[in-house]
Amino acid sequence: GEDVEQSLFLSVREGDSSVINCTYTDSSSTYLYWYKQEPGAGLQLLTYIFSNMDMKQDQRLTVLLNKKDKHLSLRIADTQTGDSAIYFCAEQESGGYQKVTFGTGTKLQVIP
Amino acid sequence: GAVVSQHPSWVICKSGTSVKIECRSLDFQATTMFWYRQFPKKSLMLMATSNEGSKATYEQGVEKDKFLINHASLTLSTLTVTSAHPEDSSFYICSAGWASQETQYFGPGTRLLVL
Repeated sequence: GEDVEQSLFLSVREGDSSVINCTYTDSSSTYLYWYKQEPGAGLQLLTYIFSNMDMKQDQRLTVLLNKKDKHLSLRIADTQTGDSAIYFCAEQESGGYQKVTFGTGTKLQVIP
Repeated sequence: GAVVSQHPSWVICKSGTSVKIECRSLDFQATTMFWYRQFPKKSLMLMATSNEGSKATYEQGVEKDKFLINHASLTLSTLTVTSAHPEDSSFYICSAGWASQETQYFGPGTRLLVL
């Protein structure tokens, strides 16, 4: 079955860049997502990338995809205290009717 | 973007009672809805996939008689936790999608505490 893995914890200083990494095993993944979950809250879709793309940038967020190595990363520039949360990567095959498989989540702690 | 709501947002119940959680797609018709469960400090685990008008497909290890799922319309799916026990306490999240849509949309989640 599909497997998505992330490091559990990342600590950065405010103003620095954060890089959260993710590896996945399903080569048929078409969409790869990054979600943010703040304490006690639901999931917030941050961004997603198609598997035929290498990079996607959206304001402070940069997603890099290495399809050969099945490696996905999320870079947050100028990290703020409000970015402190758990970040989940997830993969999905084509179509909104396909299930999403989530990674284990990375807890990002931003130190003022 | 498309909006998915869940009700209630949190619920506390006594052990042995049943709890129903609703998942609604507010501005689109969802042919497929998914129910996930999140344990504390853990990732989301898919419980079941429900397609409108048909029986839900449960993931391995999920008791279908314990977690009853009904997807009676294109905008509503319900998850009923029957005879709830403290180990059922968790964060339950639904998502909704349809075949021609690329992404799914997640609800805000329902926190269940069984005493």
